[in-house]
Amino acid sequence: DADVTQTPRNRITKTGKRIMLECSQTKGHDRMYWYRQDPGLGLRLIYYSFDVKDINKGEISDGYSVSRQAQAKFSLSLESAIPNQTALYFCATSDPLQGYYGYTFGSGTRLTVV
Amino acid sequence: QKEVEQNSGPLSVPEGAIASLNCTYSDRGSQSFFWYRQYSGKSPELIMFIYSNGDKEDGRFTAQLNKASQYVSLLIRDSQPSDSATYLCAVRVDNYGQNFVFGPGTRLSVLP
Repeated sequence: DADVTQTPRNRITKTGKRIMLECSQTKGHDRMYWYRQDPGLGLRLIYYSFDVKDINKGEISDGYSVSRQAQAKFSLSLESAIPNQTALYFCATSDPLQGYYGYTFGSGTRLTVV
Repeated sequence: QKEVEQNSGPLSVPEGAIASLNCTYSDRGSQSFFWYRQYSGKSPELIMFIYSNGDKEDGRFTAQLNKASQYVSLLIRDSQPSDSATYLCAVRVDNYGQNFVFGPGTRLSVLP
């Protein structure tokens, strides 16, 4: 099994619908992140969480919300999806206290809003 | 606005050649720099990180950092077709939160 698992892998949804993307990890890392990737724009941070009680907005949080249900689970919701939220979404984990200073990424969710 | 810039490419090199990937960053206070490789349709994977000025070597990969010029590069020696991917430069901007600013990536194509 993958260390960081994202579901679904692909999703097509209609404008105005609420959708949740889920992320779970077996790394034991405290820190979890949600990024979106658009062609030519790189990865941009949506939300991040240091532990269950610590949630922070990233660079582009408008239109998104998150929930950290447990150390291992971090979900991203689009309250009312719009077409410009069509992108590739990645969940990532890290824990510098374990000596791991980079990110471990999930396999991504490709979201299309029509 | 902290920025990280990379040439989008594609950068094409013949098999066996040295591929040189470049990255510049705007925040002079940045301390640590990471290179990720991303195959098409896949997630990024960390290949190297560097904190100190100079070179850091790991197998066929060498990261080079020049903080005075705000420049970091990745050299890939003896390039292989399997190295064909997009390479993302990431700069750590928040020491506590360990958040990064990513460049847009450079697409490398190694021709057999």
